[in-house]
Amino acid sequence: EVQLVESGGGLIQPGGSLRLSCAASGFIVSSNYMNWVRQAPGKGLEWVSVIYSGGSTYYADSVKGRFTIARDNTKNTVYLQMNSLRAEDTAVYYCARRFCSGTSCYFDYWGQGTLVTVSS
Amino acid sequence: SYVLTQPPSVSVAPGKTARITCGENNIGSKSVHWYQQKPGQAPVLVMYYNSDRPSGIPERFSGSNSGNTATLTISRVEAGDEADYYCQVWDSSSDHQVFGSGTKVTVL
Repeated sequence: EVQLVESGGGLIQPGGSLRLSCAASGFIVSSNYMNWVRQAPGKGLEWVSVIYSGGSTYYADSVKGRFTIARDNTKNTVYLQMNSLRAEDTAVYYCARRFCSGTSCYFDYWGQGTLVTVSS
Repeated sequence: SYVLTQPPSVSVAPGKTARITCGENNIGSKSVHWYQQKPGQAPVLVMYYNSDRPSGIPERFSGSNSGNTATLTISRVEAGDEADYYCQVWDSSSDHQVFGSGTKVTVL
């Protein structure tokens, strides 16, 4: 059974750093495209970042230069290192597996999310 | 880049049909995927590649995509269908995933 379990969220002051973890089971993280998607309170979904099976990474413009996605193949875990946090980064952060076939991609498995609150 | 426009809300009586639209210029040339999100829960894929249903999703859910509008249709709506629904496309030029603004479906 495929499972994604996020952890690491919490309350952090503006300008601070936080690292989120996403532990996967039921499939191999390094063979898949792993993503972070966030949702601010009462708002819609916003794609944040992806790490490809080959190791390439991409980021939304809103987090580029501040967030870093990485993975640990031995732990089958994906991380999101968040630096220089701002109030507008407050959101539930979901880990999601992206499946691509042919001309498009979609998210077939999601974690339960972890809440990050940036506030003084 | 893509901006996917969805109506903020759709209200429907039980047993009737709900239609949720997702608009963008020439969206019919893209593959559209749909997610259902109930309060306090993670999104769940309910439709992929415009009209394919994942296993476990009722046949009451169907999808279409043509011209400038993609549509998720829920037939014989039930109270359990009350949720937020998001459309999504893949922008191949930037390798970004783009979500619609979301539609809240209320069952009267």
